[in-house]
Amino acid sequence: SQQGEEDPQALSIQEGENATMNCSYKTSINNLQWYRQNSGRGLVHLILIRSNEREKHSGRLRVTLDTSKKSSSLLITASRAADTASYFCATDGGLWGAQKLVFGQGTRLTINP
Amino acid sequence: DGGITQSPKYLFRKEGQNVTLSCEQNLNHDAMYWYRQDPGQGLRLIYYSQIVNDFQKGDIAEGYSVSREKKESFPLTVTSAQKNPTAFYLCASSIDGRGFDTQYFGPGTRLTVL
Repeated sequence: SQQGEEDPQALSIQEGENATMNCSYKTSINNLQWYRQNSGRGLVHLILIRSNEREKHSGRLRVTLDTSKKSSSLLITASRAADTASYFCATDGGLWGAQKLVFGQGTRLTINP
Repeated sequence: DGGITQSPKYLFRKEGQNVTLSCEQNLNHDAMYWYRQDPGQGLRLIYYSQIVNDFQKGDIAEGYSVSREKKESFPLTVTSAQKNPTAFYLCASSIDGRGFDTQYFGPGTRLTVL
């Protein structure tokens, strides 16, 4: 089954810097989603980008999608300590694919004060 | 955590025992999901249900069973056939079961086999 793969696996930056995470996937999609998980908690939905969209913003988050390269990036600007978490991309199976989301392995982001 | 509750938060099981994890939602969502997460890993789908009285196997269904008798509830039983059940279990729901909708997650149950 297709799977989003995040890169890097771990990222450590100073507070105030920008953080960029990437996601690659294998087959066509309807949407790509990004989720955040604080340690030991459930996932929280951040943003959904449709296959016909190239960029989407939500507060300090910016997501881009390049369907020709089958890749997406999540940019967090002006990072804060509270942004420390794992970030996952999730892809669906496209119009004819399986009706479920497939999650990547995640990027562990640490914001140092 | 978006109207989804999971209980208990921590669960300890002796080898050979079956245990049932509870998941309840008050979002009036049609679809519900169970995922397993191992340390430092992503989520793997165990079972999902798009409608009451119907469910499908996910990628790692062996050793698990579910039921969906009510729209609000989707309990997961970890059976003694599951060889390595120690993990973090997450339940989620979505408005319908099209597969590409936003999913809302519960807080999780951490299962440890003693």
